[in-house]
Amino acid sequence: DAGVIQSPRHEVTEMGQEVTLRCKPISGHNSLFWYRQTMMRGLELLIYFNNNVPIDDSGMPEDRFSAKMPNASFSTLKIQPSEPRDSAVYFCASSFEKNQPQHFGDGTRLSIL
Amino acid sequence: AQSVTQLGSHVSVSEGALVLLRCNYSSSVPPYLFWYVQYPNQGLQLLLKYTSAATLVKGINGFEAEFKKSETSFHLTKPSAHMSDAAEYFCAVSDYTGRRALTFGSGTRLQVQP
Repeated sequence: DAGVIQSPRHEVTEMGQEVTLRCKPISGHNSLFWYRQTMMRGLELLIYFNNNVPIDDSGMPEDRFSAKMPNASFSTLKIQPSEPRDSAVYFCASSFEKNQPQHFGDGTRLSIL
Repeated sequence: AQSVTQLGSHVSVSEGALVLLRCNYSSSVPPYLFWYVQYPNQGLQLLLKYTSAATLVKGINGFEAEFKKSETSFHLTKPSAHMSDAAEYFCAVSDYTGRRALTFGSGTRLQVQP
């Protein structure tokens, strides 16, 4: 079975540009999570969805970040405009229920120059 | 509220030695507890989970963890470390009600010396 699929795996762009990260969760999972991982701050939960509805976005750093889940098989995390401090690895994860084990994608390594 | 504390951001052991990674949790309701491993340039992978069945939980790659309610702990152990165990390990807590998502600890990086 396919796991959580994230794209792109790597993204390098200049500050000010719009960045869109994509995630396809495991089929049948109804909870989806976006995380950011940096050396300084570790693993941070940005937002999570349950049945395509955003439940907790308190981890979203600021208005430049937005996330959508238009259907059960697709989610996006958008940064506009991007800044160098947004450089990090962004992970998407999904689970059958929000308190059950999460399955992680391989992440998107984002570098903002 | 729920939280996880992982004692020791870095642990170094010799190959063949016991691995002990510490995790203490705080939860106002009976917890679900998880250990994840992250290898370089990869996402987190589930090692094992505790969901109120047996208190000693066996996971993949020879790891196990014991739930101790009196100590609010869920330490991860492996009798004999292999070089391939070098990675970062995360403890996480949730709860049986399903109202909360997982809360992750800050991680412990395990080094295995030859």
